[in-house]
Amino acid sequence: EPEVTQTPSHQVTQMGQEVILRCVPISNHLYFYWYRQILGQKVEFLVSFYNNEISEKSEIFDDQFSVERPDGSNFTLKIRSTKLEDSAMYFCASRKDSPYGYTFGSGTRLTVV
Amino acid sequence: QKEVEQNSGPLSVPEGAIASLNCTYSDRGSQSFFWYRQYSGKSPELIMSIYSNGDKEDGRFTAQLNKASQYVSLLIRDSQPSDSATYLCAGPPDSGGYQKVTFGTGTKLQVIP
Repeated sequence: EPEVTQTPSHQVTQMGQEVILRCVPISNHLYFYWYRQILGQKVEFLVSFYNNEISEKSEIFDDQFSVERPDGSNFTLKIRSTKLEDSAMYFCASRKDSPYGYTFGSGTRLTVV
Repeated sequence: QKEVEQNSGPLSVPEGAIASLNCTYSDRGSQSFFWYRQYSGKSPELIMSIYSNGDKEDGRFTAQLNKASQYVSLLIRDSQPSDSATYLCAGPPDSGGYQKVTFGTGTKLQVIP
């Protein structure tokens, strides 16, 4: 069964540092997403990406966040200057086409200290 | 803003019983909903999708969509301890193709051996 792969599984970083979270979506999927889940809270939408550009972003996805698909396979989420409140599980997800549900990666647990 | 509401639980059922999980939504025009299972510390896993009014069965799982009453439910027959997890209702996908979904807060299910 095809998988969405995320690395690293856990990252600890100091406040103010930049982090890059990496994802390899399923190869024939067309739509890519980043979601996050703060401990004990709901899964929240950050950004969707289609045809090599951002298609939608949430209020959470401010100027500190960016996404890229640098080489046609990897899909990255960068947080430029991390804050304590960025500590969460970050999930990458991809979808083949409408109306299918997402396949999620295993997530990256980001801890900002 | 499309809203998806779930009772956070926990919902406790004895092993072998039927677990009934419910979700209500705000958008009358919604067409598609998804149920995800999330074990503690893990990523959401798609278990059921439903795209039309009525019931959809897959093994021990039955999803029900009632558009008139704006609710979606998931029935788990012959509940097993391994079904103990948080169940996330997600939907509806936004129109326009990119189709991000909104997740509910999840209902925690505990199956008692």
